[in-house]
Amino acid sequence: AQTVTQSQPEMSVQEAETVTLSCTYDTSESDYYLFWYKQPPSRQMILVIRQEAYKQQNATENRFSVNFQKAAKSFSLKISDSQLGDAAMYFCAYCSISSNTGKLIFGQGTTLQVKP
Amino acid sequence: GAVVSQHPSRVICKSGTSVKIECRSLDFQATTMFWYRQFPKQSLMLMATSNEGSKATYEQGVEKDKFLINHASLTLSTLTVTSAHPEDSSFYICSALAGQKQYFGPGTRLTVT
Repeated sequence: AQTVTQSQPEMSVQEAETVTLSCTYDTSESDYYLFWYKQPPSRQMILVIRQEAYKQQNATENRFSVNFQKAAKSFSLKISDSQLGDAAMYFCAYCSISSNTGKLIFGQGTTLQVKP
Repeated sequence: GAVVSQHPSRVICKSGTSVKIECRSLDFQATTMFWYRQFPKQSLMLMATSNEGSKATYEQGVEKDKFLINHASLTLSTLTVTSAHPEDSSFYICSALAGQKQYFGPGTRLTVT
């Protein structure tokens, strides 16, 4: 069974600085999707970024980018020029393609604090 | 696009009563929706997968007779918590699958007194 691990329960960053959130996963599959979701205090889950495992190029979305290391099964999220609105809980998630269920397997989450 | 709504956003009910939560995909059709439960500062726990026109698939340990799921149309899935007890108090979140992405509703806070 696949697992997702986020080993940093809490992180903090100074406004305008850069922070990296870690995520590792375990799978025997070769094709899958990886996601980062943001959950602000409103608790609305927001998709931040998606990575397709067959793509070597790291996904980027404005200030958000990932470092996808398939062999190491690592999928970290880098937030550049951090803003107060980035304060939230961040979840890393895995989705199997072969199972064709669309199910997400979530990590434990990392709470990010942004200091002004 | 890809907006999912949930109703109600919060509900308080008495122990022993049933409560229904609706999840709607507003601008797209979703053959598959998911129901999650989330405790404070914890991750989302998948309860069940709701497929339009067929029975829901429940995760291990989730009582299907207690958490009734109906996916009657391509834009609506409902979760009914039957004979609610205080331990059912939680935050319930639905999502709808579009392509390979899940789009989440804003959640429903259930309090059972």
